[in-house]
Amino acid sequence: DTGVSQDPRHKITKRGQNVTFRCDPISEHNRLYWYRQTLGQGPEFLTYFQNEAQLEKSRLLSDRFSAERPKGSFSTLEIQRTEQGDSAMYLCASSPRRSATEAFFGQGTRLTVV
Amino acid sequence: GQQLNQSPQSMFIQEGEDVSMNCTSSSIFNTWLWYKQDPGEGPVLLIALYKAGELTSNGRLTAQFGITRKDSFLNISASIPSDVGIYFCAGQGSVNRDDKIIFGKGTRLHILP
Repeated sequence: DTGVSQDPRHKITKRGQNVTFRCDPISEHNRLYWYRQTLGQGPEFLTYFQNEAQLEKSRLLSDRFSAERPKGSFSTLEIQRTEQGDSAMYLCASSPRRSATEAFFGQGTRLTVV
Repeated sequence: GQQLNQSPQSMFIQEGEDVSMNCTSSSIFNTWLWYKQDPGEGPVLLIALYKAGELTSNGRLTAQFGITRKDSFLNISASIPSDVGIYFCAGQGSVNRDDKIIFGKGTRLHILP
């Protein structure tokens, strides 16, 4: 296993378009997190899953954002009607089990909305 | 909401110097994590701390979980050029049984030529 994988690495989209990102966690990691990071800031929590259940969503996650993890393995994050303020690095992380809290990050998807 | 305050925001040092950075929180965490991020990459986990008072080393890195569970520090000894990057502290698991991981804003480490 090569770690958390995110696709695509970069995405440029026009304002108003929808985009979808994919995250493949480390195999058998049952917890999966999504974060957003803007320039000069630390990662900001968006949402996380325990298996297929979405346990918490940040207030940052407006109704244009939706995340799924249908089979408890890979996850998708969709942004509808993108705005320029959505431009950021979107990071995914996974951790092995509830009691083991180390989260391992993917390389991120950099979104640029023009 | 929970906030992590990291200091300093940035550091300029000479190669070979020791580095110290810290993180404080307005609330208690059950776990403290330290990450390093290089430009264009995701954060990489350096050290995880699980118990108040715990002192853990990873090569030239040493981190401690504060007794009050509201703070942590990271030391880097004998810095080398590849230490350049952004270091983030993160806390997880508060008294509210909140398992999300909260990050500080980072300490940017620069090594002067």
